[in-house]
Amino acid sequence: EAGVAQSPRYKIIEKRQSVAFWCNPISGHATLYWYQQILGQGPKLLIQFQNNGVVDDSQLPKDRFSAERLKGVDSTLKIQPAKLEDSAVYLCASSTRTSGVTDTQYFGPGTRLTVL
Amino acid sequence: SQQGEEDPQALSIQEGENATMNCSYKTSINNLQWYRQNSGRGLVHLILIRSNEREKHSGRLRVTLDTSKKSSSLLITASRAADTASYFCAPGGYQKVTFGTGTKLQVIP
Repeated sequence: EAGVAQSPRYKIIEKRQSVAFWCNPISGHATLYWYQQILGQGPKLLIQFQNNGVVDDSQLPKDRFSAERLKGVDSTLKIQPAKLEDSAVYLCASSTRTSGVTDTQYFGPGTRLTVL
Repeated sequence: SQQGEEDPQALSIQEGENATMNCSYKTSINNLQWYRQNSGRGLVHLILIRSNEREKHSGRLRVTLDTSKKSSSLLITASRAADTASYFCAPGGYQKVTFGTGTKLQVIP
């Protein structure tokens, strides 16, 4: 079974530029998560999709971050414009969860973003 | 949300020794999971223990859960250099999981 794929693995941009990350979850997984992990901290949930609907985006800075999950499969996370404090690793995860309790999340390798 | 807090923040041991890390949480849960994160990589699921279980084993891992104390522990026996990583607990239920800062384990060869 293929794991969660993310691209790019690394990205360096100047502040005020825009950037997009892509995630392909495990086939058949209904729920997709985007996390932001700042160095030395745990992952922080930015947005959770179930199929192509948003379940939770309470911690997504909506003035600059946007995410979509077309057709309930792949997802993209965009930052526009980027700030220095957006430097972090962006992790995508997926799970079979359709409702009810938390289940096992399968994480991708992450995208390391550096904003200069 | 359901947040786990790991303790200690950092742990350094010699290869072959056992490593124990703890997790505390505040709300009632249905399950609790432990994840490992090697430097520069994504998180990897290690083990899930349900709220009606007290202990679970997987290879060199032993997890205990005390719902009355709202705490869990992860024991890694006979540690190896490859166990060097950060470890996160994830209390699970109907709310979203919030990860703590983890326990950073260093195993010295």
